[in-house]
Amino acid sequence: GENVEQHPSTLSVQEGDSAVIKCTYSDSASNYFPWYKQELGKGPQLIIDIRSNVGEKKDQRIAVTLNKTAKHFSLHITETQPEDSAVYFCAASIRIGNQFYFGTGTSLTVIP
Amino acid sequence: DAGVIQSPRHEVTEMGQEVTLRCKPISGHDYLFWYRQTMMRGLELLIYFNNNVPIDDSGMPEDRFSAKMPNASFSTLKIQPSEPRDSAVYFCASSSSPGLTGPLHFGNGTRLTVT
Repeated sequence: GENVEQHPSTLSVQEGDSAVIKCTYSDSASNYFPWYKQELGKGPQLIIDIRSNVGEKKDQRIAVTLNKTAKHFSLHITETQPEDSAVYFCAASIRIGNQFYFGTGTSLTVIP
Repeated sequence: DAGVIQSPRHEVTEMGQEVTLRCKPISGHDYLFWYRQTMMRGLELLIYFNNNVPIDDSGMPEDRFSAKMPNASFSTLKIQPSEPRDSAVYFCASSSSPGLTGPLHFGNGTRLTVT
């Protein structure tokens, strides 16, 4: 099956700086890559996603890039704010089987 | 839309007791997933349903776990008998077309503590 690795496991940045979280996957059949933000006491919430026919997607301060050849994708958060502090999960999904494979999470702390 | 609704939010029980977790998916979503989250193992898929039918239950840890979906708006996850190692946060998620045109939508989870 698919294997998703996520780095780093923890990340601290100063408010206003950028944060980058990276994930790699193993199965070339994976075609959908969502990113989730999980705040304390809540379930993971989708913040951005990308499909395998696209190399980059942006939504305000958040962007995701995908390199299919290298099998890795990254989350970029610019101009970080304290409310960005949370645990972020990447995931990969294969169209056949309806399975989502999650990374192990990155705990992001934005220092005011 | 109210989103995925789970109950209870917290459950504390003694070892050996039966525990039932409940989930109401988003209306119109025909896929429902049960996940377990722990620090050690992260998010683990336990089982998922499509149109109320269990499709893949290979993640269910053992026979003590069972899940049902009697209709499109309700699912339960039952643990009988419960053990301390079952302590975790259990999430329900629903989707209209997972991995195809839409992501998973998670509830806020049930934190289970078995003493």
